[in-house]
Amino acid sequence: EADIYQTPRYLVIGTGKKITLECSQTMGHDKMYWYQQDPGMELHLIHYSYGVNSTEKGDLSSESTVSRIRTEHFPLTLESARPSHTSQYLCASSGSGAWTGNTIYFGEGSWLTVV
Amino acid sequence: DAKTTQPTSMDCAEGRAANLPCNHSTISGNEYVYWYRQIHSQGPQYIIHGLKNNETNEMASLIITEDRKSSTLILPHATLRDTAVYYCIVRVNSRDDKIIFGKGTRLHILP
Repeated sequence: EADIYQTPRYLVIGTGKKITLECSQTMGHDKMYWYQQDPGMELHLIHYSYGVNSTEKGDLSSESTVSRIRTEHFPLTLESARPSHTSQYLCASSGSGAWTGNTIYFGEGSWLTVV
Repeated sequence: DAKTTQPTSMDCAEGRAANLPCNHSTISGNEYVYWYRQIHSQGPQYIIHGLKNNETNEMASLIITEDRKSSTLILPHATLRDTAVYYCIVRVNSRDDKIIFGKGTRLHILP
């Protein structure tokens, strides 16, 4: 079982509100990722981090921002939510280096609905 | 863009072996082949990975061709619970690799 947790699992929020999706892992992984996925569609990488104070944009442009102040924590923030942000957001983490240490583990996802 | 191509969907009868192909013709020498699956809208689940040799674990077997340009994931006795989207990805196990998922193969297990 992977020790990676996302909160909230489900969130319905009004347009213009600021939201933060939380992601924590207790595996000591250096690398963390955020993916966005609409129902029935493919996963899109929106942010990733190689370690503390490292953040990079993914392949899909996103209005969200991320921070990595602590190894175990990788929150995603939307300053002003819009209906187009309605989606599932999946957080993941991965170790580095060893053969068995590079499996990527996913959280259960956060379903965001902006009304 | 994902570096792999997979069929969009496949059907397999329950109890039979499901063989899912993946092409990765531009794979480089230090890239591993990973397989994940996503059931409904849960987070993807790791299945297996390999570099050159065939690999087997309790979930599946991975057959990689000698030239490493393609691979096949084998679920030996498919059950209804194996219905999912299966992703084949290639990645370097380095500090700065980003992991890109393609569209995957939607596997339907038929009763």
